[in-house]
Amino acid sequence: EAQVTQNPRYLITVTGKKLTVTCSQNMNHEYMSWYRQDPGLGLRQIYYSMNVEVTDKGDVPEGYKVSRKEKRNFPLILESPSPNQTSLYFCASSLLGARDTQYFGPGTRLTVL
Amino acid sequence: DQQVKQNSPSLSVQEGRISILNCDYTNSMFDYFLWYKKYPAEGPTFLISISSIKDKNEDGRFTVFLNKSAKHLSLHIVPSQPGDSAVYFCAASAQSNQFYFGTGTSLTVIP
Repeated sequence: EAQVTQNPRYLITVTGKKLTVTCSQNMNHEYMSWYRQDPGLGLRQIYYSMNVEVTDKGDVPEGYKVSRKEKRNFPLILESPSPNQTSLYFCASSLLGARDTQYFGPGTRLTVL
Repeated sequence: DQQVKQNSPSLSVQEGRISILNCDYTNSMFDYFLWYKKYPAEGPTFLISISSIKDKNEDGRFTVFLNKSAKHLSLHIVPSQPGDSAVYFCAASAQSNQFYFGTGTSLTVIP
């Protein structure tokens, strides 16, 4: 089944404790992206990647890192999480880029205490 | 500053009637627009898109209209069905792979 998977689905952590949210797609898509969803702010793009080893900042990249060492994986790294990074995070992928249909993962609910 | 705005947080419509969801944008460089639908506890799913060279695109019960001079797009759903109840996001991009989403409109279709 074609899908985007994220792990973990739920995470509660404390300020400053490094964490990684994994994202994987099995559709051989070139484009992958991370978003966060917050009440009243909608979805905001954090980082995106058009290809292996190519990553670009989105609208809200501060406090986040990403890497694209393999086409299928695009982990989101929070080196020192803070409470304002408490949010619902979505990973997405598409074959050709932002002008192609993006397939979203199920989301990761992160709480930083 | 929010470049894509959905000013109606919620909308209720009777089953069988038309649902109209609106979206405004500020960046005149945006040239590709999409609508996504999101159910609770799921990721958004693609609904319909439109390029700035068009002013209308249809897909079954869903039609998107684009008014470039007003920097406004709308999604029409007709007839509305209870399964259409979800949060709808509009999104825009400008010759790049960066996306800007609106804040979402929660649609409730009343049986």
